[in-house]
Amino acid sequence: DTAVSQTPKYLVTQMGNDKSIKCEQNLGHDTMYWYKQDSKKFLKIMFSYNNKELIINETVPNRFSPKSPDKAHLNLHINSLELGDSAVYFCASSQAFKGFGDYNEQFFGPGTRLTVL
Amino acid sequence: AQSVAQPEDQVNVAEGNPLTVKCTYSVSGNPYLFWYVQYPNRGLQFLLKYITGDNLVKGSYGFEAEFNKSQTSFHLKKPSALVSDSALYFCAVRDQGRGSTLGRLYFGRGTQLTVWP
Repeated sequence: DTAVSQTPKYLVTQMGNDKSIKCEQNLGHDTMYWYKQDSKKFLKIMFSYNNKELIINETVPNRFSPKSPDKAHLNLHINSLELGDSAVYFCASSQAFKGFGDYNEQFFGPGTRLTVL
Repeated sequence: AQSVAQPEDQVNVAEGNPLTVKCTYSVSGNPYLFWYVQYPNRGLQFLLKYITGDNLVKGSYGFEAEFNKSQTSFHLKKPSALVSDSALYFCAVRDQGRGSTLGRLYFGRGTQLTVWP
């Protein structure tokens, strides 16, 4: 059973298009995250949702919009894709609450490799 | 500001030899420290963490790490390397969330470990 799953695994699209990446976790965690890994493998937090509430919103262009329909799902929608958006996007989850549980490890999905042409 | 440094981009070691992957950190307050491993085209997998207590932490696959507060280090070690240990290793530090916020996980730039037969 996959703990954190993402779809699609690969996404190739043209500049200017809109695309979505879906993430689901079956671990019963309260908090989910989106990370971006660039071509040099650097990982940076983008967003975090705690029980459907946006908790962390890093300096990310507003073309990126996360949506959490329930605490097991966190989707990432990207409008007007640009070349610089090409990266691997990782979803993660952990059992953490506001101000508590930061010591719990995060479980990562397999990643979505986005290529913008 | 919170940060993590992994001073070596690459570590090469012969199978059977001990390995060390270095990590130093900077964080305000008490740190939560983590090691993750990333195999090619895969998501990150949790290896071990330091929260409090014993400075020597044991984790998955025979790895361990030593927390050194005075040197602000958290080096990853294994007494006898295996070829299958070859992967990208990330050190991460999490600051502690307060009130309505969650702590963020800050990653180092990763160290590529290669174990040759």
